[in-house]
Amino acid sequence: GAVVSQHPSWVICKSGTSVKIECRSLDFQATTMFWYRQFPKQSLMLMATSNEGSKATYEQGVEKDKFLINHASLTLSTLTVTSAHPEDSSFYICSARPLTSGHNEQFFGPGTRLTVL
Amino acid sequence: DAKTTQPPSMDCAEGRAANLPCNHSTISGNEYVYWYRQIHSQGPQYIIHGLKNNETNEMASLIITEDRKSSTLILPHATLRDTAVYYCIVIYNAGNMLTFGGGTRLMVKP
Repeated sequence: GAVVSQHPSWVICKSGTSVKIECRSLDFQATTMFWYRQFPKQSLMLMATSNEGSKATYEQGVEKDKFLINHASLTLSTLTVTSAHPEDSSFYICSARPLTSGHNEQFFGPGTRLTVL
Repeated sequence: DAKTTQPPSMDCAEGRAANLPCNHSTISGNEYVYWYRQIHSQGPQYIIHGLKNNETNEMASLIITEDRKSSTLILPHATLRDTAVYYCIVIYNAGNMLTFGGGTRLMVKP
């Protein structure tokens, strides 16, 4: 099946620093990728929809200036958490929908665990 | 997209069938039922989807009631590795967003 990778898988940073997370579709192209956040024992919450070559669409309550999304190619989207604070500590997961898919199957990355000290 | 309701948790004995219910009473005619699962600390995994007919693949079977107001995901022979949170999602096929509810935490026990 289609594979989505994320890098890094785990990152610890100091408060105030910025962290970039990469999401790659390894064997398919995706015009749309999605970024989710998941706090412990909670469900996934959609943060933003990332469209190749255009600006991302953010969900209500998600600060676009804090969570910068760049979707530069059909296989890569990046999420940068700027000026990270302890409350940003979470599990960040991306997903991608294949360009050629006839239905709504999305492939998820393994997630990136961010811990802000 | 229609809202779904699932029991928060279920237990199943290893080797037995796991039947996970989902209510989606407000589903519209064009909406599909999708099932994903998330094993601890991993990204979600697609399982199966359907519109109105029952579906089966190598992972599971999906039974949708005739009125489409509820469905059941069946894992025919549950293994310990099937322990996960299972999400039932109702969505238009051409749509993009997946909205995750609370899901059902399935615990498969030896």
